[in-house]
Amino acid sequence: GAGVSQTPSNKVTEKGKYVELRCDPISGHTALYWYRQSLGQGPEFLIYFQGTGAADDSGLPNDRFFAVRPEGSVSTLKIQRTERGDSAVYLCASSNWTVHEQYFGPGTRLTVT
Amino acid sequence: AQSVTQLDSQVPVFEEAPVELRCNYSSSVSVYLFWYVQYPNQGLQLLLKYLSGSTLVKGINGFEAEFNKSQTSFHLRKPSVHISDTAEYFCAVSVGTYKYIFGTGTRLKVLA
Repeated sequence: GAGVSQTPSNKVTEKGKYVELRCDPISGHTALYWYRQSLGQGPEFLIYFQGTGAADDSGLPNDRFFAVRPEGSVSTLKIQRTERGDSAVYLCASSNWTVHEQYFGPGTRLTVT
Repeated sequence: AQSVTQLDSQVPVFEEAPVELRCNYSSSVSVYLFWYVQYPNQGLQLLLKYLSGSTLVKGINGFEAEFNKSQTSFHLRKPSVHISDTAEYFCAVSVGTYKYIFGTGTRLKVLA
């Protein structure tokens, strides 16, 4: 079946602009996660959704970052007033709540110039 | 708080030789442990996981890992590597069913 998909695969934006990154999880997966992977680092947790609600957003670096999952499926990560330090690969993962395994998408590479 | 240390940032090894990628974790509570592989420009793929039970875990592509609670380690091994194993490998821990904490990764370079 289809895996986790993320769009766009690459996004180049200017400092100060607003961006939206989209994640389509595996059908039926109730849990959805966002991670950020900076160059040379492992993925860092940003936010976790169980259904439509954000169960844990403790990883969001500041209030410029926001994520939604209005219908419990697709999620959008929104970044306002982007900064060069936001440049990274943003990874999305999904899982079945009863299974200890997260399935990752290919990521969106965000470059802020 | 939990943390993960991958001691080697890069590991070069000749084809058909054995390899061990080291992972140590820090946690005051029981954890779940994972190894993921990331090929260039691709997402993370699960190699294997330890949840409970036998401390020797076998995964895909001939990889295995051993959970050692006393040494808080979860080292990844393969007895004979192939060129196609060249990739970045990440160790991760979780408490509960979410919020993985990843190490910084080990780049495995298999040489012909």
